Amino acid sequence: AQSVAQPEDQVNVAEGNPLTVKCTYSVSGNPYLFWYVQYPNRGLQFLLKYITGDNLVKGSYGFEAEFNKSQTSFHLKKPSALVSDSALYFCAVRDGLTGGGNKLTFGTGTQLKVEL
Amino acid sequence: SQTIHQWPATLVQPVGSPLSLECTVEGTSNPNLYWYRQAAGRGLQLLFYSVGIGQISSEVPQNLSASRPQDRQFILSSKKLLLSDSGFYLCAFNREVEEKLFFGSGTQLSVL
Repeated sequence: AQSVAQPEDQVNVAEGNPLTVKCTYSVSGNPYLFWYVQYPNRGLQFLLKYITGDNLVKGSYGFEAEFNKSQTSFHLKKPSALVSDSALYFCAVRDGLTGGGNKLTFGTGTQLKVEL
Repeated sequence: SQTIHQWPATLVQPVGSPLSLECTVEGTSNPNLYWYRQAAGRGLQLLFYSVGIGQISSEVPQNLSASRPQDRQFILSSKKLLLSDSGFYLCAFNREVEEKLFFGSGTQLSVL
């Protein structure tokens, strides 16, 4: 079975400061890891993914994430937060061994609030 | 380009009434299609997915059903809605060779 945990319901950060949104996962095989962002009353938008290769993945809007196999983590980061980054962020995982349409398991989401 | 359309955006239905939510995809063929439900604006629960016409897999037992009458059309239905069916419903797709999901804009369903 695959699972993902986002330990923080909410993260608050001042504009211009670095931000980190945490994610840990559990899979049987190799993980396929994703970050999505959701603005109010909208669908989710893809930010970045890790399938294989370099542990540091760069994505949309200046976000990046670091895959850490030993800690089974995939934390989302940004060097300098913007007020417009305020949104709900979801981590998701798929077990590389599973089939059946690329099912993803999502975390419960972390609300990011960036203040002036 | 690939797009996904989901409607309606908002729906208020009485308990016991039927439901039909529709989702269509453009710009790709033979997509994998998904219905998710998001309760209280947080975690997403996968309800159904489909890898082809007429092929539906249900992830959790529930009062809902799904159908895929055409390659790029995915329908979420219920014969009799329950209060607990209220939530934000999201349709999504991806292609066989790409991993990321493209999401529709969602339907906010309120069952009263």
